Amino acid sequence: VLTQSPLSLPVTPGQTASISCRSSESLVHKDGNTYLNWFHQRPGQSPRRLIYKVSARDSGVPDRFSGSGSGTDFTLTITRVEAEDIGVYYCMHGTHWNVYSFGQGTKLEIK
Amino acid sequence: EVQLVESGGGLVQTGGSLRLSCAASGFRFSDYWMSWVRQAPGKGLEWVGNIKEDGSEKYYVDSVKGRFSFSRDNAKNSLYLQMNSLKAGDTAVYYCARAYDDGLGAFDIWGRGTVVTVSS
Repeated sequence: VLTQSPLSLPVTPGQTASISCRSSESLVHKDGNTYLNWFHQRPGQSPRRLIYKVSARDSGVPDRFSGSGSGTDFTLTITRVEAEDIGVYYCMHGTHWNVYSFGQGTKLEIK
Repeated sequence: EVQLVESGGGLVQTGGSLRLSCAASGFRFSDYWMSWVRQAPGKGLEWVGNIKEDGSEKYYVDSVKGRFSFSRDNAKNSLYLQMNSLKAGDTAVYYCARAYDDGLGAFDIWGRGTVVTVSS
């Protein structure tokens, strides 16, 4: 089970936002990697992956987005928040053999 | 362009059936695990299940086991979701998404989704 916090995150443009994702069990795979991903979903759109394997950014993702953490605790950090960052952020793991799990989602809004 | 396009959604009565399709283009479809993810109105994302590159392995979330079935036709670059005994709780947008590295690298590409509404 992945638990995100906060579930709602009002942020002033230019400030930094942090979202926590905690797992009920270690997400370290037997191959040594940790398959923890972060997704962003804007209203009315499909989700888009931002971060994979804890901290690797997908192509085209601004370096304002960064992922960190290990084991059971992970964080998505967004620096210099912009209006286009609004939407819902989900963590997701696919570490345990072919069973994927999403967090509840964190809704980021601009103050 | 790498693309996934879902189709087949619609309005169906409780207990009815529906078959969704996902057409892939721009990449070697047969090299990827494929998944279905759904999102109920106003809710979060829920993984429904996935199917191996050659269709030999399939995994389902508990809530759909015995009712949903995945298949794929690699010659047609297509993924399918057969949904039977539909319930109101299956109402959602259904997305297909691809996964690589034996399913561990999920989900770098998503479709736009197709809407399924189950009503009595």
